[in-house]
Amino acid sequence: DPKIIQKPKYLVAVTGSEKILICEQYLGHNAMYWYRQSAKKPLEFMFSYSYQKLMDNQTASSRFQPQSSKKNHLDLQITALKPDDSATYFCASRQQGTNERLFFGHGTKLSVL
Amino acid sequence: TQTVSQSDAHVTVFEGDSVELRCNYSYGGSIYLSWYIQHHGRGLQFLLKYYSGNPVVQGVNGFEAEFSKSDSSFHLRKASVHWSDSAVYFCAASIGGGSGNKLIFGTGTLLSVKP
Repeated sequence: DPKIIQKPKYLVAVTGSEKILICEQYLGHNAMYWYRQSAKKPLEFMFSYSYQKLMDNQTASSRFQPQSSKKNHLDLQITALKPDDSATYFCASRQQGTNERLFFGHGTKLSVL
Repeated sequence: TQTVSQSDAHVTVFEGDSVELRCNYSYGGSIYLSWYIQHHGRGLQFLLKYYSGNPVVQGVNGFEAEFSKSDSSFHLRKASVHWSDSAVYFCAASIGGGSGNKLIFGTGTLLSVKP
């Protein structure tokens, strides 16, 4: 959905480095999410935020830290990158309390060398 | 816990054929079910949803799905597919239909439509 902007579209990083994946939504939604999609695993839920507060965290590693500086932003900081972190990371949003439909961004494809 | 399973990893049909993509869920209570489509290199897009009422729900582009509590299923169907329907289809579920609940996705079914 063009109203959910993820930057960059492609990202190459070296093992051990740190990167921030940007997500902004202009749909006026108050709930935002991160999902990860890789060849090894299906679309995997990572985090959910509502009104800029963490609602659910299904990511075991503390290397993944969402950051919400504004109500329509939910960035994802990843530290100490590993090759297994290579995946496409999707940001999504919806209006909490309505029809549950999720709107997705186009994703950031991360490759860790 | 709730799970969603899509038994077919890949389905191939010819243009104009009908198709059914299968989805089964496991949860004993009230559940919200939906289907999403993902074209290559893109994000997911919503197709349709079911929470209550008429078990047959209509979606975009001629897709429909039928909820069956007895079979724990929510299969997606289309009467006549077009080549542009080639994509990965994901079934998703969340519990209770309440606000803030995460959607859990199945493994996806790649639909290939041959001309």
